[in-house]
Amino acid sequence: ETGVTQSPTHLIKTRGQQVTLRCSSQSGHNTVSWYQQALGQGPQFIFQYYREEENGRGNFPPRFSGLQFPNYSSELNVNALELDDSALYLCASSRGVETQYFGPGTRLLVL
Amino acid sequence: GIQVEQSPPDLILQEGANSTLRCNFSDSVNNLQWFHQNPWGQLINLFYIPSGTKQNGRLSATTVATERYSLLYISSSQTTDSGVYFCAVEEGAGNMLTFGGGTRLMVKP
Repeated sequence: ETGVTQSPTHLIKTRGQQVTLRCSSQSGHNTVSWYQQALGQGPQFIFQYYREEENGRGNFPPRFSGLQFPNYSSELNVNALELDDSALYLCASSRGVETQYFGPGTRLLVL
Repeated sequence: GIQVEQSPPDLILQEGANSTLRCNFSDSVNNLQWFHQNPWGQLINLFYIPSGTKQNGRLSATTVATERYSLLYISSSQTTDSGVYFCAVEEGAGNMLTFGGGTRLMVKP
């Protein structure tokens, strides 16, 4: 059984650019959640996908968007990057509302 | 929304010491989880504990849902226990997690 994987591991972008982060869910899991963790803080919920539909959203602007594919992998897209978007982005997968398991994260730096 | 507060924010221990980490939450929750975040950023599940007590080796956790708090006990700490410990709660429908600010633990040899 493979765990949650994320790519890329690190990324550097400039303000105003767009970025796409990817997540492969753990085998047998149909739900993917994305979190943003700023330096020194706890993760904050961005949104969740269940069976390719958005199933909940935190307090993030519309320039944060996502997709879930038929194999339950997921993408997080961020448009018009701002300096404050610099953070560790974590993906978690679960079987429905059961325990979430987290990937290793993608570190994004916006210059 | 629900507020989750963890204490202490920072903790330094000598190897072999015991510690208690606390998590308070402001409203009823469906579930509570404890995580350990290692220096590389990986969040590792420790306990899924909406109520009661669980133990796993040197770690144990207790959640008193009626009083809205949870405790994580670390006994005979080791340097590999260093990192940040988070509690996170689920409320309402779905399993979206609200995290506390974490306790940063450093265990010195």
